[in-house]
Amino acid sequence: QQQVKQSPQSLIVQKGGISIINCAYENTAFDYFPWYQQFPGKGPALLIAIRPDVSEKKEGRFTISFNKSAKQFSLHIMDSQPGDSATYFCAASMWATGNQFYFGTGTSLTVIP
Amino acid sequence: GAVVSQHPSWVICKSGTSVKIECRSLDFQATTMFWYRQFPKQSLMLMATSNEGSKATYEQGVEKDKFLINHASLTLSTLTVTSAHPEDSSFYICSAPKGGSSSYNEQFFGPGTRLTVL
Repeated sequence: QQQVKQSPQSLIVQKGGISIINCAYENTAFDYFPWYQQFPGKGPALLIAIRPDVSEKKEGRFTISFNKSAKQFSLHIMDSQPGDSATYFCAASMWATGNQFYFGTGTSLTVIP
Repeated sequence: GAVVSQHPSWVICKSGTSVKIECRSLDFQATTMFWYRQFPKQSLMLMATSNEGSKATYEQGVEKDKFLINHASLTLSTLTVTSAHPEDSSFYICSAPKGGSSSYNEQFFGPGTRLTVL
């Protein structure tokens, strides 16, 4: 059973545009929602994370929007750059399980120059 | 941020041999580490939770006798793929929460190990 559902599977955006990736979860016990960026042949790197007590978090060009009632959260990449081309994974975890992460299926982002 | 290393970064072995992959937390202690497997263009699949000083916890469907995990110290966990076969070829990634499993901290991932079994 997929604990975290992610869409779209792939995304192509023009340079300077906004990239939006969405995730949904079912387990209301999740209390930590990170986004990871992964380049080919590399391990995932934390991009930005949010907890359910806030509805939005912004770090530079990256913003997480969180909708607790809808059990959804999304990543917005403003002014997308070719260097942002990578695979993005959302994840969810709960403190009670010792930081075990449940990953979304991933989104392959391509930013066209 | 914290650093997690893996060794080797890639390995090619013959079918039937065993391969050991190391995961080290370089600048923090980790009582818990996680091992993931990732197929090309797919998500990370949690294989097992490595616990320092005790037995690892395996996810459903993961053969514990095939994927041996040893968490010998607070900075080192090893994954040994025993009697490897071509279907075990994959990208193996470890991660560790900084501060240990009892604290609410981010996960730091290793760079991954590409295993190819001929």
